[in-house]
Amino acid sequence: ETGVTQTPRHLVMGMTNKKSLKCEQHLGHNAMYWYKQSAKKPLELMFVYSLEERVENNSVPSRFSPECPNSSHLFLHLHTLQPEDSALYLCASSPKMGQRETDTQYFGPGTRLTVL
Amino acid sequence: KQEVTQIPAALSVPEGENLVLNCSFTDSAIYNLQWFRQDPGKGLTSLLLIQSSQREQTSGRLNASLDKSSGRSTLYIAASQPGDSATYLCAVSTDKLIFGTGTRLQVFP
Repeated sequence: ETGVTQTPRHLVMGMTNKKSLKCEQHLGHNAMYWYKQSAKKPLELMFVYSLEERVENNSVPSRFSPECPNSSHLFLHLHTLQPEDSALYLCASSPKMGQRETDTQYFGPGTRLTVL
Repeated sequence: KQEVTQIPAALSVPEGENLVLNCSFTDSAIYNLQWFRQDPGKGLTSLLLIQSSQREQTSGRLNASLDKSSGRSTLYIAASQPGDSATYLCAVSTDKLIFGTGTRLQVFP
């Protein structure tokens, strides 16, 4: 266990549905991240939050909407997704934003999303 | 633009073999290089972190080296076991983590 939990673990949704992914970290970290992992592609950073403020949005389509109500929780709201959005969505946290010599990130188990 | 490449993409070895996984990166301006393990359908677990000023790190049967000037790192696994079967990801740290596509390792009894 890394101290980062994600729910649900699996999600199947139609293109017209609205759903949300939840991430919670119990490590007292200040930064949280959403990544997308598609088959045979490197992990893609989607969003970064530091102290509850969004500090990075990597040209992610607006059908993905993040929310960080406090430093322990991170959500990813989904609506009108496309089949190509099917992937493993990983949440991570780190003590502070920005990588330095000793910083690493702690990952949750991911949510396997299938869009029909 | 920083790019990270991992070779081979997949590897299958018998139990007990020593093996080497390779990682290369295009920009040497990094804070650190990290190796992660990912089991099927699961998140990433950090294995080793090598700071930019360091040459190698060791943890148990794992040894990772870093040659920043040539943009290369290797992960050496000694006496491989079936429990080592997983995907191994290399990532370099700039202002964020840039990942390679991973090496999928299978160790058979």
